[in-house]
Order: sequence, then structure tokens, then C-alpha cells
Amino acid sequence: GAGVSQSPSNKVTEKGKDVELRCDPISGHTALYWYRQSLGQGLEFLIYFQGNSAPDKSGLPSDRFSAERTGGSVSTLTIQRTQQEDSAVYLCASSFQGFETEAFFGQGTRLTVV
Amino acid sequence: AQSVTQLGSHVSVSEGALVLLRCNYSSSVPPYLFWYVQYPNQGLQLLLKYTSAATLVKGINGFEAEFKKSETSFHLTKPSAHMSDAAEYFCAVSDPAGGSYIPTFGRGTSLIVHP
Repeated sequence: GAGVSQSPSNKVTEKGKDVELRCDPISGHTALYWYRQSLGQGLEFLIYFQGNSAPDKSGLPSDRFSAERTGGSVSTLTIQRTQQEDSAVYLCASSFQGFETEAFFGQGTRLTVV
Repeated sequence: AQSVTQLGSHVSVSEGALVLLRCNYSSSVPPYLFWYVQYPNQGLQLLLKYTSAATLVKGINGFEAEFKKSETSFHLTKPSAHMSDAAEYFCAVSDPAGGSYIPTFGRGTSLIVHP
């Protein structure tokens, strides 16, 4: 596709269930980022991939959060045993190299934990 | 460590008036600086970026920002606001020379444009 694609666009899940959020970056972009945007808050960095490697996982809020990237392309963010405080919009971005080149954001996945 | 402060969570202007959105940063070395815009129910879109070239950076939709090292600021301006400018604006800083490739974002400023 022409841009960064995230799926699903909306997800409602019950507390305690696991969820998977998907990000399809722009073809050829080696850098991929996950951010979380909560109501009234800025963007909270979660994890950064360069190719399939994640040199910076420092933003993952707990061990319930994990992410992987395969084939230098698609990335999946997994949240296990979801909690209500996980409710937020999860944004994915990709760029050709690092962030000094323009990063393109997807429209996000709105996660609601009930 | 890098950080970004956006003064004012909401800025309200009349259509045709000057837009000024403030951003101050902290960084140990000259950083890369960005302004992004987020329209309702959309992802973030790059408005402009500073990467140590010209200090006055022109972006899309008539916006520009000036890097002022002495003030550690990167304020966003537009001479005349349009109704379509109503959106959330985010300032971000990254510090590649200092080993930080991950941009840090401010909390955002919501721009409200009155007719």
C-alpha cells in the first residue's frame, strides 16, 4: 500500500484477554516505531525496530507487552492479560532509515479494554 | 536526556489571526526537531523538520518554525489561521548525535480556530 496500515482500526476486548495489533509499514522502510497515545496525553514511545531487531525496547510498560517484526516488514504488538489502563490508541510509524528521514504514521488502533 | 515542553494544551485564535504554538526542548547537542499535525481520527502527518540546516524551516500548509538555539525553542507559526488548521499539533525532538534515534514527543497543543 501507499502508506502505513494498521489493523484492526478498533478493538474492544475484555479485561484479561490477549490482543494482537498489526502494523504494515511502507515498503522499503527499515525503521519501525510503536507509540501509545492516551486521552489528553502525548505520544508515549513503546519500541523501535531497525530491520527485524529491536535495539530499543525501553518504552514497553510491562512484561505483558511484546512486539516482533518479521521479514523486515510487518510488525505485531501483543498485549497479554489486558488491563483497563491499556486502553489507548496505538500508533505505528515507519521511516526509510531513522527518524531524520520523514516518519509516516498509520491511523492507529483504538484499543478499549472493558 | 532529551525532552520537549509544549506551552498551552489549547490555543484559540480567530480565523485570519496569527498562529503561534510554542515548543521548548532540552538536548545535550543540537537536535533534530519536528512538528507533526494530527487531524481528528487520523494519524500524525509531518509539518516540517529541522536537521541543522537553515534555522527557519518552512513546512506544508503555510506553517513555518524557527530554531533558536539560545532560547532552546522551535515555535510554530502561521501568519493567518484557516478553519482547516484546527487540529492537534505535536513537537518532537530526537538526538541522533547523542545516540538517541527515538523522537520524544510533547503532550500536544490543540489549535481551535473561531470563525
